Amino acid sequence: GENVEQHPSTLSVQEGDSAVIKCTYSDSASNYFPWYKQELGKRPQLIIDIRSNVGEKKDQRIAVTLNKTAKHFSLHITETQPEDSAVYFCAASIGTGFQKLVFGTGTRLLVSP
Amino acid sequence: GAVVSQHPSWVICKSGTSVKIECRSLDFQATTMFWYRQFPKQSLMLMATSNEGSKATYEQGVEKDKFLINHASLTLSTLTVTSAHPEDSSFYICSVTPGANQPQHFGDGTRLSIL
Repeated sequence: GENVEQHPSTLSVQEGDSAVIKCTYSDSASNYFPWYKQELGKRPQLIIDIRSNVGEKKDQRIAVTLNKTAKHFSLHITETQPEDSAVYFCAASIGTGFQKLVFGTGTRLLVSP
Repeated sequence: GAVVSQHPSWVICKSGTSVKIECRSLDFQATTMFWYRQFPKQSLMLMATSNEGSKATYEQGVEKDKFLINHASLTLSTLTVTSAHPEDSSFYICSVTPGANQPQHFGDGTRLSIL
């Protein structure tokens, strides 16, 4: 079945620096890759997603890149702020539909003032 | 506003009790809902896919007789943890999607603590 690996498990940066989180997936049929931010004790919130027919997508300080050949996708956060501190999860769809997701193991991002 | 409503948000009960968790889609009809479990400092693990009007589809390793899922309407799915034990203590989260090729929206989760 689909397996999603996520690195690093923890990431500490200074405010204003950039942060990059990387994921790899195993199922070549996966065609949807969302990223979720989860604060302690709260629900995951979708922050950006990308579909397999696109190589890059950007939304203000957040961008996602996808390399289908290598089965890699990455989250880039620029000009980090303390409120960006949270756990970030990547996910990949199972099979050809969007609906079922397999999640990565999570990255705990800490942005220090 | 919230797309998904999940209740209760917190449950503490004795071992052997059965606990029902509700997940409601507020903005759209959902023929499919998903139930996840998240242990502390771990990722979300898909437990089952709830299908309106038919049986749920369970992921490998998830006991269907222990985690009963009912999706009786297009806006409500329930997860019942039967005869809960301390090892069932976890954060249970549902998600809904408006349909194929649409992102999932998560409920606020239910923190279940079995004493």
